[in-house]
Amino acid sequence: DTGVSQNPRHKITKRGQNVTFRCDPISEHNRLYWYRQTLGQGPEFLTYFQNEAQLEKSRLLSDRFSAERPKGSFSTLEIQRTEQGDSAMYLCASSQPGLAGAPSAGELFFGEGSRLTVL
Amino acid sequence: AQKITQTQPGMFVQEKEAVTLDCTYDTSDQSYGLFWYKQPSSGEMIFLIYQGSYDEQNATEGRYSLNFQKARKSANLVISASQLGDSAMYFCAMRETQGAQKLVFGQGTRLTINP
Repeated sequence: DTGVSQNPRHKITKRGQNVTFRCDPISEHNRLYWYRQTLGQGPEFLTYFQNEAQLEKSRLLSDRFSAERPKGSFSTLEIQRTEQGDSAMYLCASSQPGLAGAPSAGELFFGEGSRLTVL
Repeated sequence: AQKITQTQPGMFVQEKEAVTLDCTYDTSDQSYGLFWYKQPSSGEMIFLIYQGSYDEQNATEGRYSLNFQKARKSANLVISASQLGDSAMYFCAMRETQGAQKLVFGQGTRLTINP
């Protein structure tokens, strides 16, 4: 399977615990995105990597959230001291770079997501 | 800032009928890209169709077509001859042309196809 892979698919944790999600993008894609999706809503952008550099972070990404992409390949998203409001689906996506200033038909390829439930 | 609006929370359609899912957008960019994604209950976001702002013709991909009306800032998805497997959430999205080139999504429409 050469698609975007996310692990674990499901995570149930108690409030206050730390959790970590992993994303393996499509190998030749240098762009990697994390999104959060709550029930009945569209995905909301969290952060973006180009290779190993984290170039953009949303205001949604509080201090308890940290993301890394150490070698420009897989990425991890860690949530510290989880809260019930963190319960959501965390989606990872990757893409090829598009031309700056031009719309790109290079769509984002998404993984199946990691569903977090905080009790 | 870019914004996508999908005003239909849910749609119910009989199998084999055509269905139109509405999407309006707001942007100050002259150049932009519009996407539709399907999200079945498994959770994966599946790319359906793309329309560039300078494309003169409406995009088509099999049973999917995009009714692009630039002056009205709308990009409606049309699914012809609907099938039971089309039941899913559908999201309209706009892609930035600078920086992260991230997608900004609408709230989604839940489509249910009845046999």
